[in-house]
Amino acid sequence: SAVISQKPSRDICQRGTSLTIQCQVDSQVTMMFWYRQQPGQSLTLIATANQGSEATYESGFVIDKFPISRPNLTFSTLTVSNMSPEDSSIYLCSVPLRESDNEQFFGPGTRLTVL
Amino acid sequence: AQSVTQPDIHITVSEGASLELRCNYSYGATPYLFWYVQSPGQGLQLLLKYFSGDTLVQGIKGFEAEFKRSQSSFNLRKPSVHWSDAAEYFCAVGAGEYGNKLVFGAGTILRVKS
Repeated sequence: SAVISQKPSRDICQRGTSLTIQCQVDSQVTMMFWYRQQPGQSLTLIATANQGSEATYESGFVIDKFPISRPNLTFSTLTVSNMSPEDSSIYLCSVPLRESDNEQFFGPGTRLTVL
Repeated sequence: AQSVTQPDIHITVSEGASLELRCNYSYGATPYLFWYVQSPGQGLQLLLKYFSGDTLVQGIKGFEAEFKRSQSSFNLRKPSVHWSDAAEYFCAVGAGEYGNKLVFGAGTILRVKS
């Protein structure tokens, strides 16, 4: 299994500002995923972050709004830029232990509220 | 495109009663299918998964699920529900080359009454 931590666990932000969310894994992993869970809704994949390459974004998500860094095999950040109240969500990172694994481990999530 | 439908938003069952949560998927190939549970204030935990072999899959906490290709379904069951099972349950299909890009259903909130 993998132990995943996220920082911050929650935050309240003003519209127009940006927040960077960190995801730390206790083992080296090739792939990391970022998901968004809007209030009362399901999880939606934002992007796939591989170390050493540009993140791959899903339809409806763009790099300017959600820039991602992946500096090494245990760490990634997701920035929510120029926030609006519609960005209020729980943001989760997840990892498969191996790239070919279909089982994933999820972080505890970052609960973001934008006023 | 892949999609997952969980038709029941809320389900209430009595403690000790049996449970079935419905899940239907749309996917062009043999799917990777998952059930996750999310308890209040906690992260997602994998209950069970299916990608080949026996269509009846056993998971943790006494849960099982049955893959029915003809019905495009992957329903979750438990013979006797405990109060601690109250949570939100998500069905997901795995997309991408390795099936690890998850497409989630809307979730079913399970309430357990004593």
